Amino acid sequence: AQSVTQLGSHVSVSEGALVLLRCNYSSSVPPYLFWYVQYPNQGLQLLLKYTTGATLVKGINGFEAEFKKSETSFHLTKPSAHMSDAAEYFCAVSDRNTGFQKLVFGTGTRLLVSP
Amino acid sequence: NAGVTQTPKFQVLKTGQSMTLQCAQDMNHNSMYWYRQDPGMGLRLIYYSASEGTTDKGEVPNGYNVSRLNKREFSLRLESAAPSQTSVYFCASTEGLFGDTGELFFGEGSRLTVL
Repeated sequence: AQSVTQLGSHVSVSEGALVLLRCNYSSSVPPYLFWYVQYPNQGLQLLLKYTTGATLVKGINGFEAEFKKSETSFHLTKPSAHMSDAAEYFCAVSDRNTGFQKLVFGTGTRLLVSP
Repeated sequence: NAGVTQTPKFQVLKTGQSMTLQCAQDMNHNSMYWYRQDPGMGLRLIYYSASEGTTDKGEVPNGYNVSRLNKREFSLRLESAAPSQTSVYFCASTEGLFGDTGELFFGEGSRLTVL
């Protein structure tokens, strides 16, 4: 079954530092990949997605992610963290085995940003 | 636009009681989903409805039933609540398949406690 693994349940950075949140997928065929963000007491919202084409994907709020087939990875980065980036981030995958009908989420990484 | 609306937002049940979580979307989306979110486990799919008139099991369907009442509404029922069903429940919808748009729109969640 398709799955994604997020390394690190918590990541702490200082304001202005690089943000790197890791996601690896397990699929024999390159799937479609997504990053979602959840702010406290809210539902999730889409940050960015990779379906086909350019492997470097830019999303909202200055985030970007690069699809690397050779590493089965889709890590999320932001050059300079802001206090408002503190939230929980989820990697998700969908593939043709399910007819692209479902999203499977990782366990999430909570980003903590200190002044 | 209201988006995805879930009711109730909070509920406390005793073991063995039943209840229904209601979800409605006003975006004319075909597909609707119920997820549960538990600490350290991310979001897990309970049931989904790819289109009006169809429902399918997700990863953790035991103890739940669903009804796709019409295109707008998708309800989740707990027939005999158990403490293991204490969780935050999210309803979500999307326009089509994840190969097309990839964006799930989430409600704000329903926090359920079973004593």
